[in-house]
Amino acid sequence: ILNVEQSPQSLHVQEGDSTNFTCSFPSSNFYALHWYRWETAKSPEALFVMTLNGDEKKKGRISATLNTKEGYSYLYIKGSQPEDSATYLCAPWDSNYQLIWGAGTKLIIKP
Amino acid sequence: DGGITQSPKYLFRKEGQNVTLSCEQNLNHDAMYWYRQDPGQGLRLIYYSQIVNDFQKGDIAEGYSVSREKKESFPLTVTSAQKNPTAFYLCASSIPGSGSPLHFGNGTRLTVT
Repeated sequence: ILNVEQSPQSLHVQEGDSTNFTCSFPSSNFYALHWYRWETAKSPEALFVMTLNGDEKKKGRISATLNTKEGYSYLYIKGSQPEDSATYLCAPWDSNYQLIWGAGTKLIIKP
Repeated sequence: DGGITQSPKYLFRKEGQNVTLSCEQNLNHDAMYWYRQDPGQGLRLIYYSQIVNDFQKGDIAEGYSVSREKKESFPLTVTSAQKNPTAFYLCASSIPGSGSPLHFGNGTRLTVT
């Protein structure tokens, strides 16, 4: 079973500031990496599915990069807004055909 | 609107009783999953199903059972054999494969006393 680490565990950011956080995973047998946003009282929502080393994906003010050789992915949020407050989850897909979930980074945007 | 529905939102049971959590999807997805969330931990896979009438154990299947008689439905039974059943349970569905995102329900919070 893969060991997935997300850091930091939680993060307070001033509204308007940009921020980023990390997902680390073993680099062997890579298939795909998923990012999800989970807002309080809602269900997790897919942000990105990344498959290629060097991939960079963008959705509005949120973007993600992937380095499969060294086993990490960064999620960036530009110009944070209160609606970005959520827990961000990453999950690589392992060789047993399942996602292995990190514990998440809880992002709190301060107005 | 297509989506995935879990019911009920909150469930309370006495220790020793079996309880079944419902999960229905109208997204026409072949794959369905049950996860458990505990504080400070990542989602852990209980069971998954890639196709009707077939399902596989995940990492923490002990004390749980599932069925997949219809494509749309994947109910989870928490049996009295599950030692720590109090948790938040999430159901998800997807097109099978590593590149397909999961669609989640809103979850069921189960409390067993």
